[in-house]
Amino acid sequence: QVQLQESGPGLVKPSQTLSLTCTVSGGSISSGGYYWSWVRQPPGKGLEWLGYIHHIGSTYYSPSLKSRVALSVDTSSNHFSLTLYSVTAADTAVYYCTRGRTTPPYYYYYMDVWGKGTSVTVSS
Amino acid sequence: DIQMAQSPSTLSASVGDRVTITCRASQYIDRWLAWYQQKPGKAPTLLIYDAHTVESGVPSRFSGSGSGTGFTLTISSLQPDDFATYYCQHYNNFPWAFGQGTKVEV
Repeated sequence: QVQLQESGPGLVKPSQTLSLTCTVSGGSISSGGYYWSWVRQPPGKGLEWLGYIHHIGSTYYSPSLKSRVALSVDTSSNHFSLTLYSVTAADTAVYYCTRGRTTPPYYYYYMDVWGKGTSVTVSS
Repeated sequence: DIQMAQSPSTLSASVGDRVTITCRASQYIDRWLAWYQQKPGKAPTLLIYDAHTVESGVPSRFSGSGSGTGFTLTISSLQPDDFATYYCQHYNNFPWAFGQGTKVEV
């Protein structure tokens, strides 16, 4: 059974860069046609999808963050990562990594596995 | 971009009630819609995908219906474990988007 675990700093200063990693266990990040995504949730608010990456490297970023976000994948270490540049207090949130699965023969992906989330605070 | 709107934002109910949550997409999304349940301090969990398919392990009291732009999540008989916040999310195209959530409370 695949499990996801987020890791990274709990506190980041404004204008700095946030880097988070999601480690995949119980399966290979390269197996199957899965999409690997990040979702965040500011305190007391709803869910925001940030973007996805496929193990071959294809990506899509939310337009709201496109200029500040980058996703990468390391198949040898079985993890994928989120980098968010020039953070502000508005980036304070719980960040979740997810796996996107599809129902063959279609190519529409829903998020079936979620990490427990990691809390990030942006503050000086 | 496609926007998702849920109603109501908050729903007061009792154990045993039949509960219905509505989700509307700003554009046609066929059946490419998922429902998630989130409890306080926990990650969301997948309940329904492809608008009406119940995820493995999810109790049969949960069901989903709809297609195109209008969708519903129904809990046939509310149980104590069901008090939570529910989100719809489309995956018809990028960017994926969530509804604002519906909190089911006592």
